[in-house]
Amino acid sequence: DTAVSQTPKYLVTQMGNDKSIKCEQNLGHDTMYWYKQDSKKFLKIMFSYNNKELIINETVPNRFSPKSPDKAHLNLHINSLELGDSAVYFCASSPDRVQETQYFGPGTRLLVL
Amino acid sequence: AQTVTQSQPEMSVQEAETVTLSCTYDTSESNYYLFWYKQPPSRQMILVIRQEAYKQQNATENRFSVNFQKAAKSFSLKISDSQLGDTAMYFCALRLNRDDKIIFGKGTRLHILP
Repeated sequence: DTAVSQTPKYLVTQMGNDKSIKCEQNLGHDTMYWYKQDSKKFLKIMFSYNNKELIINETVPNRFSPKSPDKAHLNLHINSLELGDSAVYFCASSPDRVQETQYFGPGTRLLVL
Repeated sequence: AQTVTQSQPEMSVQEAETVTLSCTYDTSESNYYLFWYKQPPSRQMILVIRQEAYKQQNATENRFSVNFQKAAKSFSLKISDSQLGDTAMYFCALRLNRDDKIIFGKGTRLHILP
């Protein structure tokens, strides 16, 4: 009965590879987000989708491409991984764009070697 | 631009004590929400408490309460009767009513000592 789930929980990969992180929410929310938390624990938004439509793209390199097949899923695909991509990536959702509370997933720890 | 500042990188208190985490923020907007999130070692981000800026009454959730001073742009979190399970990273956050994104502070690492 997990509200916001992410897979995988851990991801270790070589530089230059392409990888995806999946996110699903079973809360019936319309809006989903991706955040990146760097090694200094600083948490910053990357993308926001509302009903499968991109709302926010915070100057993230175009190697990062979110994909929303339906409003319950927001996957993050990363091409040509770089060392600096190592971080914890959090998915979150909220009932709608004006709802103040976001519900976070457990995070995916990505390590690029 | 909006900013959120947490001036205490790390704190330690004994179990059962009361602890206050500081947060200040800056925005020229008048309508916004403030939050405290908890990130335990499991890394999951858990909403602890939220405050609507238009409400003067301070929010309370069981042992957690806030001291919201809108004029001073201060939003501190008080944890009463602290428990070992409160050990975590705590993030203060700001969300404007007109915006989708939440702006986080850099966090305060709280250790509850037995």
